[in-house]
Amino acid sequence: DAGVTQSPTHLIKTRGQHVTLRCSPISGHKSVSWYQQVLGQGPQFIFQYYEKEERGRGNFPDRFSARQFPNYSSELNVNALLLGDSALYLCASSLDGGGLYEQFFGPGTRLTVL
Amino acid sequence: GQQVMQIPQYQHVQEGEDFTTYCNSSTTLSNIQWYKQRPGGHPVFLIQLVKSGEVKKQKRLTFQFGEAKKNSSLHITATQTTDVGTYFCGLIQGAQKLVFGQGTRLTINP
Repeated sequence: DAGVTQSPTHLIKTRGQHVTLRCSPISGHKSVSWYQQVLGQGPQFIFQYYEKEERGRGNFPDRFSARQFPNYSSELNVNALLLGDSALYLCASSLDGGGLYEQFFGPGTRLTVL
Repeated sequence: GQQVMQIPQYQHVQEGEDFTTYCNSSTTLSNIQWYKQRPGGHPVFLIQLVKSGEVKKQKRLTFQFGEAKKNSSLHITATQTTDVGTYFCGLIQGAQKLVFGQGTRLTINP
């Protein structure tokens, strides 16, 4: 079975631009979460979506938005990019939206903002 | 929300030596998950602990949850080069918000 997939793998943008990152969860998983991991730090929670609804939001500015589609795939959008947005963006899927389930992480999208 | 503090930040050992990382909180934790991230890779789930005093083993890895549920540890016996990576503890808050500790980066001298 395929794991969590993310696209693109790498991305280079300039300040002020907009970026869209995509994630496909493991088949059967209905929950998708997004994390930002800056080099040398642990992943920071951005959003969680379950059944197309936002279930949780981390401490990120409104420039960050996301959505989940009927097939449970998800997009993370970041507007007005800043240098500090350079990071590895990880998508994780889990079986359900609540409870203590393990999260399966995708390989991530490495975003560089110049 | 709750936070978890992880120590040490870095650990370098000789192959064959043991390794331990600790995860601490000032408040009672309902759960702890442990993840491993290889260099250049993504976090991979190792274990989940929910019961006071719980101990779980996976081959050379031993995971413990403190009696007061305020701390947890991961111990690796006789490290191998394949153990290299960063080990994170994490706490599930709310629905599926996973709050990670800072991680312990393990490097091994073969």
